[in-house]
Amino acid sequence: NAGVTQTPKFQVLKTGQSMTLQCAQDMNHNSMYWYRQDPGMGLRLIYYSASEGTTDKGEVPNGYNVSRLNKREFSLRLESAAPSQTSVYFCASAGTVNYGYTFGSGTRLTVV
Amino acid sequence: QKEVEQDPGPLSVPEGAIVSLNCTYSNSAFQYFMWYRQYSRKGPELLMYTYSSGNKEDGRFTAQVDKSSKYISLFIRDSQPSDSATYLCAVPSTGANNLFFGTGTRLTVIP
Repeated sequence: NAGVTQTPKFQVLKTGQSMTLQCAQDMNHNSMYWYRQDPGMGLRLIYYSASEGTTDKGEVPNGYNVSRLNKREFSLRLESAAPSQTSVYFCASAGTVNYGYTFGSGTRLTVV
Repeated sequence: QKEVEQDPGPLSVPEGAIVSLNCTYSNSAFQYFMWYRQYSRKGPELLMYTYSSGNKEDGRFTAQVDKSSKYISLFIRDSQPSDSATYLCAVPSTGANNLFFGTGTRLTVIP
C-alpha cells in the first residue's frame, strides 16, 4: 500500500523555468492538498481539492496552479519559478479531515 | 492571531526523560486535535488525534486537551533517541476542509 506518492523527490530550476509536481494517492480519499514547508514558517497551504473536479486557494497560492486530474492525482504547477519558491513541497490526502492527513515524502525544490 | 501556535524549541533532553510539548489554539469551536511527528527529510506522519477534552494514551505517548485554556499537550514518557524529530500540532478548520499546523517543535533525545 503506497499511500501518497510524490515525484520528483528533488529538483533544481532556474528562475523563470516551469515545472509540474506530481502527486497520487491510492487510499480512495476525496480531499487532496499541497503545502510548502519553510524554516520557521511551518506548513502553509497552497491549494486544496475537497473532491474530484474542485480546487480552492489556500494561504499562499500566488505563483502556483493546480489540477485535480482524477480522484487519485493532484498536480502542482509552477509557471515561472522564482527563488522565493525554493522550499519543500508536500502533498497530502484525507478521507475525513477531522481524522488527519496522510502525507507524501516531499519534493525538495531549489530555484536558482 | 494564528489558529494554532507552538513553541519552536529546540528542546534537548536526556534519554529516559519525560517530554512535554505544547500548543495553544485560538478558536474555542475546535473539537479535533492532532499531533504529527516529522523525521528529518521525511513527510509528517500522524501520531495521535483526540476529540474534545481529556487525555488519550498510546504507549509512551499521551495527548491532552484543556479546552478551558485552549491548550493542547503531548507527553512522551521514557523518551528514546528514536523520538528525536519535529512534532507538529494541528487542528481542522471550522469547515473541516483543511488543517492548520503549528510551526513545530524540534526534539532531540540524547543517549
